[in-house]
Amino acid sequence: GNSVTQMEGPVTLSEEAFLTINCTYTATGYPSLFWYVQYPGEGLQLLLKATKADDKGSNKGFEATYRKETTSFHLEKGSVQVSDSAVYFCALSAQGSGNTGKLIFGQGTTLQVKP
Amino acid sequence: DAGVIQSPRHEVTEMGQEVTLRCKPISGHNSLFWYRQTMMRGLELLIYFNNNVPIDDSGMPEDRFSAKMPNASFSTLKIQPSEPRDSAVYFCASRTLTNEKLFFGSGTQLSVL
Repeated sequence: GNSVTQMEGPVTLSEEAFLTINCTYTATGYPSLFWYVQYPGEGLQLLLKATKADDKGSNKGFEATYRKETTSFHLEKGSVQVSDSAVYFCALSAQGSGNTGKLIFGQGTTLQVKP
Repeated sequence: DAGVIQSPRHEVTEMGQEVTLRCKPISGHNSLFWYRQTMMRGLELLIYFNNNVPIDDSGMPEDRFSAKMPNASFSTLKIQPSEPRDSAVYFCASRTLTNEKLFFGSGTQLSVL
């Protein structure tokens, strides 16, 4: 079946440090891949996405590249800020045509950025 | 624009009581999801609807859980009877059928004592 595995947290970094959060997936077909972010006390928000191999999603300085050969979608940011402290979820959506299927989420990785 | 609206924001109840969680999706969205979030199990999909019809309820834990979507602007998740292990944050999310971007509500924090 479809599944997503993320690196365990928490990840603790100093401001302006480089961030990588690893994500690998198992899926049949060609899923779309996503990163969602959850700030304290809020629901999840879409951060970025990629729909096919070698696509790079980017938003707010975050990037992730869809790597089919390694079934990975690692999240990166060159210089984190305190305001980036949140829980980050990797997710996949099984390939659908027209009507899209359900989103499968990883366990989430907590990022703490210290000033 | 109003986002996905969930109520109540917090619910504290005693074991054995019935609990009803409510969700109003974003207007025009015709796909609705219920998720449960716990520290131990992360974010689990319970059920989702397309055009008010349940498509996949394989994540519903057991018969104590039921969900309905009587119309395009309202859905409920009911737990009867509730148990302490049901304590979690329950999220409702919606999207259109052709756009994979999911919009989440702020969640209902449920505590069953």
